Amino acid sequence: QSVLTQPPSASGTPGQRVTISCSGSSSNIGSNHVCWYQQLPGTAPKLLIYRSNQRPSGVPDRFSGSKSGTSASLAISGLRSEDEADYYCAAWDASLSGPGYVFGTGTKVTVL
Amino acid sequence: EVQLVESGGDLVQPGGSLRLSCAASGFTFSSYWMHWVRQAPGKGLVWVSRINSDGSVTNYADSVKGRFTISRDNAKNTLYLQINNLRAEDTAVYYCARDFGGKDDFWGQGTLVTVSS
Repeated sequence: QSVLTQPPSASGTPGQRVTISCSGSSSNIGSNHVCWYQQLPGTAPKLLIYRSNQRPSGVPDRFSGSKSGTSASLAISGLRSEDEADYYCAAWDASLSGPGYVFGTGTKVTVL
Repeated sequence: EVQLVESGGDLVQPGGSLRLSCAASGFTFSSYWMHWVRQAPGKGLVWVSRINSDGSVTNYADSVKGRFTISRDNAKNTLYLQINNLRAEDTAVYYCARDFGGKDDFWGQGTLVTVSS
């Protein structure tokens, strides 16, 4: 099982739009949906996006997801101080060596 | 109220064993796939294992195959993770999660496993 690649950091000022990329392969993102998690320090991850572009109930529409080919993106518009957190993508990987979920390397978002 | 409460984490010597538990309440436990995810101190998230609603299907990350066993007791609304031959690299917070990555995704607060002599 491989790992999905994310930039280690991203930043923006309040109100700006920030985009986080997630790069995979044909065995994971290329053939399966992507989900995105937000993790605040010392807390369990919280689901932001499922099925690549769907928001669970209660997640603000400032968060949006997209997928194209073997890559996916999470966009945060109208950046707020409470968005400062770590963000992870994840997808099912149908690897021949053994299927399983794989996470991205994680992106720390800083609100300047 | 939906709750997942993990327990069983401890300080264990290399080569030792542990059984983690995840007690579920507030939903129909027997209807959901359940997962374990771990996070080493200061590191990223790693998916560990999953089990289907009746316990007949399991999957594991390559890094834990042969040492970890996931199971569930639907009568007790409890998910388990048996960890054998513990290594230093197994040190992590272990989270249980319902419907990982799905519409009904929900996580517990985690239990800490520390492997050290």
